[in-house]
Amino acid sequence: NAGVTQTPKFRVLKTGQSMTLLCAQDMNHEYMYWYRQDPGMGLRLIHYSVGEGTTAKGEVPDGYNVSRLKKQNFLLGLESAAPSQTSVYFCASSYSRLAGPPGEQYFGPGTRLTVT
Amino acid sequence: AQSVTQPDIHITVSEGASLELRCNYSYGATPYLFWYVQSPGQGLQLLLKYFSGDTLVQGIKGFEAEFKRSQSSFNLRKPSVHWSDAAEYFCASESGGSYIPTFGRGTSLIVHP
Repeated sequence: NAGVTQTPKFRVLKTGQSMTLLCAQDMNHEYMYWYRQDPGMGLRLIHYSVGEGTTAKGEVPDGYNVSRLKKQNFLLGLESAAPSQTSVYFCASSYSRLAGPPGEQYFGPGTRLTVT
Repeated sequence: AQSVTQPDIHITVSEGASLELRCNYSYGATPYLFWYVQSPGQGLQLLLKYFSGDTLVQGIKGFEAEFKRSQSSFNLRKPSVHWSDAAEYFCASESGGSYIPTFGRGTSLIVHP
């Protein structure tokens, strides 16, 4: 199993450009998440999805859009990049729990994005 | 709303010394609790988790954590630190019925030879 993979690993954008980050998981997990990590801020949730075709906003959704057209993929889009979006982006997934305790999150290796 | 506090931004220990990283949560009922480790340039990896039962839980890499309801704490411990333990450590909690864990801001562990 590859686990959670993220594409690309690094990217430099100019202000106003757009891009899509791809997250893929091969563990048949229902839940998927996008976080950003900034120094001293820990992990902040951008958007998440509890199943194919469903998405929801997290703590810091502005400037980002997501799509979950296939269960194994979760895409994060930046329509018009801003320097404030310079960050490291992590995707995570976890299995569904209709009842009982939650599963742990499995994280991808991250995408380092710089917006100039 | 839930919150998770890791009071120490940085911790420095000597190799071979014991380690305790602090985590406090705020939630009415007993939450589900996790510790993750992030090595430089990597994603987060689960060290251990607590759901119920024995309040002392064992994890990977020789780590353990103890849940103390009276102190709303879930501190991570290791009796003897190795240089390879240098990393960022995150505590997280999740309430039943929520899809979203709450992460602390992390504690950076520095290990001196």
